Order: sequence, then structure tokens, then C-alpha cells
Amino acid sequence: GAVVSQHPSWVICKSGTSVKIECRSLDFQATTMFWYRQFPKQSLMLMATSNEGSKATYEQGVEKDKFLINHASLTLSTLTVTSAHPEDSSFYICSALNGRETQYFGPGTRLLVL
Amino acid sequence: KQEVTQIPAALSVPEGENLVLNCSFTDSAIYNLQWFRQDPGKGLTSLLLIQSSQREQTSGRLNASLDKSSGRSTLYIAASQPGDSATYLCAVDNYGQNFVFGPGTRLSVLP
Repeated sequence: GAVVSQHPSWVICKSGTSVKIECRSLDFQATTMFWYRQFPKQSLMLMATSNEGSKATYEQGVEKDKFLINHASLTLSTLTVTSAHPEDSSFYICSALNGRETQYFGPGTRLLVL
Repeated sequence: KQEVTQIPAALSVPEGENLVLNCSFTDSAIYNLQWFRQDPGKGLTSLLLIQSSQREQTSGRLNASLDKSSGRSTLYIAASQPGDSATYLCAVDNYGQNFVFGPGTRLSVLP
């Protein structure tokens, strides 16, 4: 089946630094990718929809200047958490849409901001 | 290795019917289980989250149960409506490892 990878799987950083997370569809082209995050004991929540070659669409309450999304190719989307703070510590997961309906998920990235 | 299955793969019902979607997982050592709704071309919408210590959660016409020991969860939808037509996914959180999603159940509610 289709495979989506994320890198890194774990990241620990100091407060104030920026962290970039990559999401790749390995064997298919994805015009649309999604970014989610999950805080402990909470549901997985959609952050933004990333469309190749255009600006991402952010969900209400998600700061677009803090969470920069770039979808420059049909197989790669990146999420950059700028000036990360401890409250940004979370589990970030991406998914890629194969065609119109089938969505494949990456394994996720756990971010810990000290 | 955790595996998640969902039955049925597809379901078509007339409007107004109550229905049950099933989810099974092989490793009972889960942190939580979530049910999601997926509309074509859209991101997932979280419906219900059940922590491993809980047995059920309710939201409106939706009720989800969890039997961790038997590796099963059910999503009950009461008085189904055409707007409920979507794909329903269950996913288990494997204690800090990763999410494992089921293949989904495609629901069609006919007016």
C-alpha cells in the first residue's frame, strides 16, 4: 500500500528555536496533504490543509505565522514550528491524499520543547 | 505489531435507521482509541475519543464503546441522516509509538 513518511520521528529543542517536520509520500503523488496535532489526552485535530503550489488553509485557532507550511512538490510538505515554546510540545502527524478519497497517514513526529 | 480492522467495509442504510460500526485491534495495550469521520477530499474530523480507562463516550447521536480486553470498539449512530454519509475510521494510539488506523467503513445513508 501507499507509504507516507515523516522526519524526524522525535525532536527535542530549546524554547525559541524553529523546528521543521517533513512529510513525504513515497510511492504516490499527493496534491493535498493534511497536518494534524494531538496534545496529551486530547483528540487528533486538523491544523491545516496543504495544497501543492498554493497557500495552506489553516483551521480556526491555528496561527499561520507560527506554523509555516510549504508544499513545494507533489511528494513533500513541510511544517515549520517557528519560535517553538513548551506549549507547542505535541504529536504532529501528516497525511497525504491519494486521489480524491484515500488518505494515508505518516507515523507522526513527537515534539518536545524545553 | 498492532493491526486494526473495521467491519463492515461499506454500509448502505435508509434514513432514520440506527446502525453500528465495528472496530477490532490486536494489541490491547493502547493509550486511547478515536473515531473519525472523513469526507471526500477533506481532512479528518475527530468524533469521539475514548481513553484506555473508559468504556464509552457519547456525543449527540453518536455513542462509542471500548472493550480493551477483547480488542473491540463500536460506534453507534442513532437515527441516521443523509448528512452522516462519509467514511468512518477508528484509530488506536499505541503508547507513544504511532497511530494505527483501520481501513474505514464507508457509510451511505439514503434519503
